[in-house]
Formats: sequence, C-alpha cells, structure tokens
Amino acid sequence: QKEVEQNSGPLSVPEGAIASLNCTYSDRGSQSFFWYRQYSGKSPELIMSIYSNGDKEDGRFTAQLNKASQYVSLLIRDSQPSDSATYLCAVRVYYGNNRLAFGKGNQVVVIP
Amino acid sequence: DVKVTQSSRYLVKRTGEKVFLECVQDMDHENMFWYRQDPGLGLRLIYFSYDVKMKEKGDIPEGYSVSREKKERFSLILESASTNQTSMYLCASSLKASGGENIQYFGAGTRLSVL
Repeated sequence: QKEVEQNSGPLSVPEGAIASLNCTYSDRGSQSFFWYRQYSGKSPELIMSIYSNGDKEDGRFTAQLNKASQYVSLLIRDSQPSDSATYLCAVRVYYGNNRLAFGKGNQVVVIP
Repeated sequence: DVKVTQSSRYLVKRTGEKVFLECVQDMDHENMFWYRQDPGLGLRLIYFSYDVKMKEKGDIPEGYSVSREKKERFSLILESASTNQTSMYLCASSLKASGGENIQYFGAGTRLSVL
C-alpha cells in the first residue's frame, strides 16, 4: 500500500463552485498533514496544514482530517481561475525523522 | 520569509558528466531534502539531511550522492549523469521540530536535461 494516495483524476469545476480533493494515508501514527499547491512549472507552496481531527479553515480553503479513517481532504470554496493547479497531499511519516510522504497530486482546472 | 535558493533554474549536461546541484536556505533549518519530480510519478525523495555532515537515503538514492558541510547548504551530486536523470529537482528545508512545525519549504527547482 502506498503511503499517501490521491486517486482522483483531473478535476474540472466551474468558477465559483466548490472543489473537493481527497487523500488517504497508510501510516496510522502520522500526526501532521499538509496540502501544497503547485502551478505548472513552479515548485510546491504550502497552503494548509492540519494536525487535529476536524476542520481547519483559512480563507476559501478548508482542510478536514479524520485520523480514524485515515483521510484528509481539501475544499476550495468559490473556486477561481487562479486556483487552477496541482494539489499535493503530504503526510509526515511517523518513523521517518521528519520526512514527508507525498501523494502524486490532483490537477484542478477552474473553468471561467 | 523562508528562502530556499537553488543555484540554477535550467541546466543541460552531457551523459557521463559530474553534476552539482546546490541549495542554500537562510532560515537556520536543520533539515534539508532533495526530491525529483517526474510526470506521473510525483515527488520522490532522493536524500535528506537532518544535521551538518549527516545524511539519509530516501526512496531513490541510486546514482546520487549528497554533501552537507554547512548548515545552510545542501548539495546533490550526480556522479555520472545519465539520460534517465533528466528531471525537475527540488530542494526543501524544514525545522527539526517534532511537533507540527516541520513544514517543508521548497526552492524554485532546477530543470536538468541530460543529453
């Protein structure tokens, strides 16, 4: 089983709609979870971090964590064309001396 | 703001050349990382370092080595470049904190082409 899985294919959403991204992880001991945004040809930039079960909101972004079910999700409300990017889920590996395990990413395309 | 600087944005090398990729961070971070990113394969960890002169292998260390002589600088070395090492290389750094504050910050990346 892969450490972090993001299974959805490219996601197309109309401008103003909600984009929903999901991520599952295998290491039950993981405590820290991150969402990075990566524009084409650019490096990843952190948009959300979450450490406790429940929801965490930051502007139009909401991260949701459920440790019992081992998934973390990202909601983007009022999607804008500038949100068109690849979103990477990352999980701190419990045994790994602060290394992160990354999912392969989900591409989001916001259609004006 | 955290700044992670990679010495080159684009690099073209020939097969068999020795290649050095340099990364410098200015936030006194203990941890530094080298990844490569390829379409369909995502980010893969090559090596990381959690202290000066310390290094650990990541998921794909074959064909690479690293050097960390100073805290702020982490170098990736391709001893004999091959075409399958053509990729985007990303450097990152983070604090050594055991809690949640170990966010990794990335450099702009180096797109390496080996001909």
